[in-house]
Amino acid sequence: GAGVSQSPSNKVTEKGKDVELRCDPISGHTALYWYRQSLGQGLEFLIYFQGNSAPDKSGLPSDRFSAERTGGSVSTLTIQRTQQEDSAVYLCASSFRGENEQYFGPGTRLTVT
Amino acid sequence: GENVEQHPSTLSVQEGDSAVIKCTYSDSASNYFPWYKQELGKRPQLIIDIRSNVGEKKDQRIAVTLNKTAKHFSLHITETQPEDSAVYFCAAGNFNKFYFGSGTKLNVKP
Repeated sequence: GAGVSQSPSNKVTEKGKDVELRCDPISGHTALYWYRQSLGQGLEFLIYFQGNSAPDKSGLPSDRFSAERTGGSVSTLTIQRTQQEDSAVYLCASSFRGENEQYFGPGTRLTVT
Repeated sequence: GENVEQHPSTLSVQEGDSAVIKCTYSDSASNYFPWYKQELGKRPQLIIDIRSNVGEKKDQRIAVTLNKTAKHFSLHITETQPEDSAVYFCAAGNFNKFYFGSGTKLNVKP
């Protein structure tokens, strides 16, 4: 079946602009995660959604970052007033509730100029 | 929160040798410990995982060990092959939140 998809695959934006990154999880997966991976670094947890429960936002680095998940499926990560340090690959993953294995999307490479 | 440390950051081995990557974690509530392999420019993919009620798990050339008392777990790759070259990440957590190590770049020389 279809895996996790993300769009766009690449995004170049000017400093100060807002960006929206989209994630389509695997159908039936109730858990959805966003991570940030800077060049040559590990994965930094950003936010977690589980079904219709309130998301765990404890990893969001600043109030410029927000995310929502509509209808328990598609998720959008929004970064307002982008800064150069926001440049990274943003990865989305999903998993089936009750199982831990996360399936990752291909990522969105964000470059802030 | 959880703090996961991973060593070494780079590892170079000769084809056919074994490779060992070690991770420590801080939160005793963590109960799931996956390992991911990420090839250059690709997404991370799960290669093996272990749960806190198990001390060791093996899948062909790959094995993982867990010591809950000491809060450390390790990845063992035997008979390494050039296609094992990649960055490997450990992670610790539970079903709602995972923290990843900083990664180990494994280079298997033919």
